[in-house]
Amino acid sequence: LAKTTQPISMDSYEGQEVNITCSHNNIATNDYITWYQQFPSQGPRFIIQGYKTKVTNEVASLFIPADRKSSTLSLPRVSLSDTAVYYCLVGGLEAGNNRKLIWGLGTSLAVNP
Amino acid sequence: DAMVIQNPRYQVTQFGKPVTLSCSQTLNHNVMYWYQQKSSQAPKLLFHYYDKDFNNEADTPDNFQSRRPNTSFCFLDIRSPGLGDAAMYLCATSREMGSLLYGYTFGSGTRLTVV
Repeated sequence: LAKTTQPISMDSYEGQEVNITCSHNNIATNDYITWYQQFPSQGPRFIIQGYKTKVTNEVASLFIPADRKSSTLSLPRVSLSDTAVYYCLVGGLEAGNNRKLIWGLGTSLAVNP
Repeated sequence: DAMVIQNPRYQVTQFGKPVTLSCSQTLNHNVMYWYQQKSSQAPKLLFHYYDKDFNNEADTPDNFQSRRPNTSFCFLDIRSPGLGDAAMYLCATSREMGSLLYGYTFGSGTRLTVV
């Protein structure tokens, strides 16, 4: 299972674009990259998932370079409500009882007025 | 609309007094997980059920047990809570084990305090 490395914390201001980069040097060919968001005292929730190049949804964009050894979550025009911890996960899509996802420490994003 | 429901949201228990946390799901997912998350730490997997098959993580203390009487419900039993067991306990479900295809759906968690 690929290990991920993210910055522990980031600070931003309302209205700015925030980019959080995750390093996953030993990502496997079949692995996908998924980002979760966790607010205080709540369970994590799915944000976005991708395999390569760029993925965009109504919440965020995910940029994955050709070597796939890193990925960048981009949050456009953040607001105070985007203050949360963001987790990067790497894993395959195949089911298997011996496959588990390992959660890193995540990136704690603080959005200031 | 809540699909994974955890009760209660906050639980206070006495040191050494057994406590049970509950989780229910309306997604009909095969897999149910229990995670422990301490302050400023990542979620730590305690165990999971794939249908009726129970899978314990190697480093999960014996103090923690689980039951899944049917597809919809799963319980976390802490037989003798210690002060170090105070944490947020998260229940999650997925359609298949280990697969990111459908993602994980988490409940809102139960915050356990041990006094």
